[in-house]
Amino acid sequence: DAGVIQSPRHEVTEMGQEVTLRCKPISGHDYLFWYRQTMMRGLELLIYFNNNVPIDDSGMPEDRFSAKMPNASFSTLKIQPSEPRDSAVYFCASRPQGANEKLFFGSGTQLSVL
Amino acid sequence: AQSVAQPEDQVNVAEGNPLTVKCTYSVSGNPYLFWYVQYPNRGLQFLLKYITGDNLVKGSYGFEAEFNKSQTSFHLKKPSALVSDSALYFCAVRDIFRGDYKLSFGAGTTVTVRA
Repeated sequence: DAGVIQSPRHEVTEMGQEVTLRCKPISGHDYLFWYRQTMMRGLELLIYFNNNVPIDDSGMPEDRFSAKMPNASFSTLKIQPSEPRDSAVYFCASRPQGANEKLFFGSGTQLSVL
Repeated sequence: AQSVAQPEDQVNVAEGNPLTVKCTYSVSGNPYLFWYVQYPNRGLQFLLKYITGDNLVKGSYGFEAEFNKSQTSFHLKKPSALVSDSALYFCAVRDIFRGDYKLSFGAGTTVTVRA
């Protein structure tokens, strides 16, 4: 299995532009999580899905952030419009149903908003 | 509320010496506890977990951790550190009485193992 796949690995954009981050979870995993990592705030959970349905989006910082999971093999995190303070590493993670509790992380997207 | 504290930003040890990374937690109910490791420019990788049972948990790469309920701690240990263990280590907790699957991560501890 290729693991959790995120794209792009790096994204540099200008303030005000729309940014879309993509994630392909491990096949068969029922849960998908979006995290943001910064030096100041550490690792923050933004939103998570169960069977493609958003369960908890209380970590999404503002209405500028939105996430979708149209099917079991694809999710997007969109920022519109982007701001410099959105610069961070964004991780996607997935896990299967059941008591295992082990999260599998992608390699992340390094986002820089100028 | 659930939270994790990693009191040390950095831990420095010589190769071959024991390595300990500290973690304390706070939950309303009973905890699920985890350790993850992050190498540069990579995502987090699972090391080990405590769900229930034996308080001493063994994980990947020779790491182990001991759950101590009275001290609300879950310290990560390795008897003999390697240079390749140099990385960022995260402790995480989930309160099993919560109805969700949200993990709370600590701020991370940077481990440097010198040759």
